[in-house]
Amino acid sequence: GAGVSQTPSNKVTEKGKYVELRCDPISGHTALYWYRQSLGQGPEFLIYFQGTGAADDSGLPNDRFFAVRPEGSVSTLKIQRTERGDSAVYLCASSPWGDPNTGELFFGEGSRLTVL
Amino acid sequence: GESVGLHLPTLSVQEGDNSIINCAYSNSASDYFIWYKQESGKGPQFIIDIRSNMDKRQGQRVTVLLNKTVKHLSLQIAATQPGDSAVYFCAETPPSYKLSFGAGTTVTVRA
Repeated sequence: GAGVSQTPSNKVTEKGKYVELRCDPISGHTALYWYRQSLGQGPEFLIYFQGTGAADDSGLPNDRFFAVRPEGSVSTLKIQRTERGDSAVYLCASSPWGDPNTGELFFGEGSRLTVL
Repeated sequence: GESVGLHLPTLSVQEGDNSIINCAYSNSASDYFIWYKQESGKGPQFIIDIRSNMDKRQGQRVTVLLNKTVKHLSLQIAATQPGDSAVYFCAETPPSYKLSFGAGTTVTVRA
């Protein structure tokens, strides 16, 4: 498809388990973002990639969260030792813009994570 | 710290009427503002943007107004349609790329 693709769309796991969430950005987009959205709230920034490198990971809540983008395209958000508070929709967005102050991002539909 | 907020969490509007959604921001250094629409089960979708050197920008059926004096942003939707029912977020970039979203306004269009 032409849009940002996220898999899985839904993930239910047990407390303490490890999960991976995948994002396929729009082809050619160099910038990739991960956001987390809790129920009734706006998206909250987690991490930003420009190419293969994490330009800013200051939004990751703790060291249980990690994200990679090894070839500058697909990205994986990894969560270790999941906790119930990690339950949220994880949104991925990409952008073709070289100017980081142009805010138009193209979002995927998100991966809904539920930790029991 | 900076924050972006919407004045009302919900807005109910009659189909065909105009809608106005308001947003206040606190970071006077913000120079770029965006409105996103999020339908149930989907990711946010870009609607319209405006830079701090502008007061008004128009799109198709939408107008964004920026008042830097009182740090206020609004989105006007003309002739609201059922498909406009969604959650609307304003977002800002301070001089960085990290979009800061408010909590959103849920717009419900009455037939």
